[in-house]
Amino acid sequence: EAGVTQFPSHSVIEKGQTVTLRCDPISGHDNLYWYRRVMGKEIKFLLHFVKESKQDESGMPNNRFLAERTGGTYSTLKVQPAELEDSGVYFCASSQWGEGARGYTFGSGTRLTVV
Amino acid sequence: AQSVTQLGSHVSVSEGALVLLRCNYSSSVPPYLFWYVQYPNQGLQLLLKYTTGATLVKGINGFEAEFKKSETSFHLTKPSAHMSDAAEYFCAVSPNTNAGKSTFGDGTTLTVKP
Repeated sequence: EAGVTQFPSHSVIEKGQTVTLRCDPISGHDNLYWYRRVMGKEIKFLLHFVKESKQDESGMPNNRFLAERTGGTYSTLKVQPAELEDSGVYFCASSQWGEGARGYTFGSGTRLTVV
Repeated sequence: AQSVTQLGSHVSVSEGALVLLRCNYSSSVPPYLFWYVQYPNQGLQLLLKYTTGATLVKGINGFEAEFKKSETSFHLTKPSAHMSDAAEYFCAVSPNTNAGKSTFGDGTTLTVKP
């Protein structure tokens, strides 16, 4: 089966610009998660979708971040406007319903650099 | 609330030597525990997990970890390191619910010397 796909793999944007990251989960996986790793520190939770609904968005840093999951399939994470501190690696992960606590399948991540 | 502490951001071993990566956690509910590995330019891959049952769990590539509740630890070991084991390793904890919101450690970079 195809894995979790993220694109772009790298993005370099200027402060104040907008960037949209995309994640295609494994087909049939209702759980979709976004995580972020900043400056080589720990990987931090951003939010969790169950199908198209936001189950938990407690990790979203501020209202410059907007996540959507169209029809319960792919998800986008938009940063508008981007700030320098948004630089990092954004990971997407997915799992089947009921298996969320048993480990995820991760994508390769999008490395975002804001200059 | 949950937290994970990985002791040692960098660990270096010789090829053939024992690998020991340390992880301590705190959790207010019975935890599920995980080790993930990230090879260069790749995503995180689940190495092994503890959910319930046997406290010694075996994973891929010869790795294993033991859940010790009394010590709140979940250390990762491998008897003999291979060059291909060089990667970054992450310990994570989540509550045993479908939400599966995981808390990760800072990661440990393993270097294997020839």
